[in-house]
Amino acid sequence: QVQLQESGPGLVKPSETLSLTCIVSGGSISGYYWSWIRQPPGKGLEWIGYIFYSGSTDYNPSLKSRVTISVDTSKNHFSLKLSSVTAADTAVYYCARYNALIRNVMDVWGQGTTVTVSS
Amino acid sequence: DILMTQSPSSLSASVGDRVTITCRASQSISSYLNWYQQKPGKAPKLLIYSTSTLQSGVPSRFSGSRSGTDFTLTISSLQPEDFATYHCQQTYSAVTFGQGTKLESK
Repeated sequence: QVQLQESGPGLVKPSETLSLTCIVSGGSISGYYWSWIRQPPGKGLEWIGYIFYSGSTDYNPSLKSRVTISVDTSKNHFSLKLSSVTAADTAVYYCARYNALIRNVMDVWGQGTTVTVSS
Repeated sequence: DILMTQSPSSLSASVGDRVTITCRASQSISSYLNWYQQKPGKAPKLLIYSTSTLQSGVPSRFSGSRSGTDFTLTISSLQPEDFATYHCQQTYSAVTFGQGTKLESK
């Protein structure tokens, strides 16, 4: 079955750009939307955005000015870039499949990766 | 933006109890409401989608319902493995999560 795995630096300096990649295995990235979600320590889930395999995107308005999500179908992965980070961006970052075929659910999740913003 | 107000934020209950968690949408979201269960250190797991459809493998003690813009997750008889945090999510317009409900053992 489809599995997702996030990868990227666990520590990012303030004002720099956070970059993460989600590798999709056990299935094709084609035909689906793919999403990023984050969870600050002790807090709830926050949707960051999603991308269709063809490249169309939608972002959380509160993060839109700093977020770029891209997809590489040849490598079966998608990526997140979040610019000008601050301590408030410290969180566990998850990637997930956003399945529009079953009424827009996130039915497959990565295990999550912790990103700390600190100098 | 659609705001999801989830209550309570925390809940203490005992094994065997009937538990109800509520999510209210700030506007109509049709039936595009999903519920996730999250255990400490783990990713969320899809429990219920489209208000009331159980994801494959989810026990039948879990159920979901809707009254207008109010959505309810019910656990009919709490089991030890159900102590976790529950999140509602609307996917009618973009995506919004509720604040989460931490279900703890009394």
